[in-house]
Amino acid sequence: DPKIIQKPKYLVAVTGSEKILICEQYLGHNAMYWYRQSAKKPLEFMFSYSYQKLMDNQTASSRFQPQSSKKNHLDLQITALKPDDSATYFCASSQENSANTEVFFGKGTRLTVV
Amino acid sequence: GDSVTQTEGLVTLTEGLPVMLNCTYQSTYSPFLFWYVQHLNEAPKLLLKSFTDNKRPEHQGFHATLHKSSSSFHLQKSSAQLSDSALYYCALRYNAGAKLTFGGGTRLTVRP
Repeated sequence: DPKIIQKPKYLVAVTGSEKILICEQYLGHNAMYWYRQSAKKPLEFMFSYSYQKLMDNQTASSRFQPQSSKKNHLDLQITALKPDDSATYFCASSQENSANTEVFFGKGTRLTVV
Repeated sequence: GDSVTQTEGLVTLTEGLPVMLNCTYQSTYSPFLFWYVQHLNEAPKLLLKSFTDNKRPEHQGFHATLHKSSSSFHLQKSSAQLSDSALYYCALRYNAGAKLTFGGGTRLTVRP
């Protein structure tokens, strides 16, 4: 029974288009994250949110915009898609009370840009 | 900035032999260290994490010892199993809510 739901599981997009990756967590966590995994960069941090506020942004491009409409949601909007954006995007969450708290990952959205 | 180095990208072992996956780190602060395991087409899952009292964490036969003097957190297991075949990531984190910084990963393949 997955506690972090990512939709869709697979996504094919045309270069130049815009897509939204959905993430909902039902663990009651107050911190949420996005990570990207590709052949070139195994697990790369993108964003972190705490109580729906942006805490850290390691993504150089403004084409990537996280959106938090509810405290257990953190969607990722990607505009002007490029083939290099092809990767698996993982949403994650944790309870922000200790540095050695476990970070839980969703099953990912595999994005292919053609 | 913080960084994690996993020197082996690929490790292939015969079942029953010991496993050792290397992890060294650089951090301005005194971080917590983690090992995550990712099986094919699955999400990364926590395998081990370091403790504040320097106890040695163990799980599913794996263990790791945090050596602050050498900035290392190597993953070990006495006897590899076929089911251990997976991608292993070492990661660090220095603060609650901060990002996990991952190493490049080591793909472990265990053969009969």
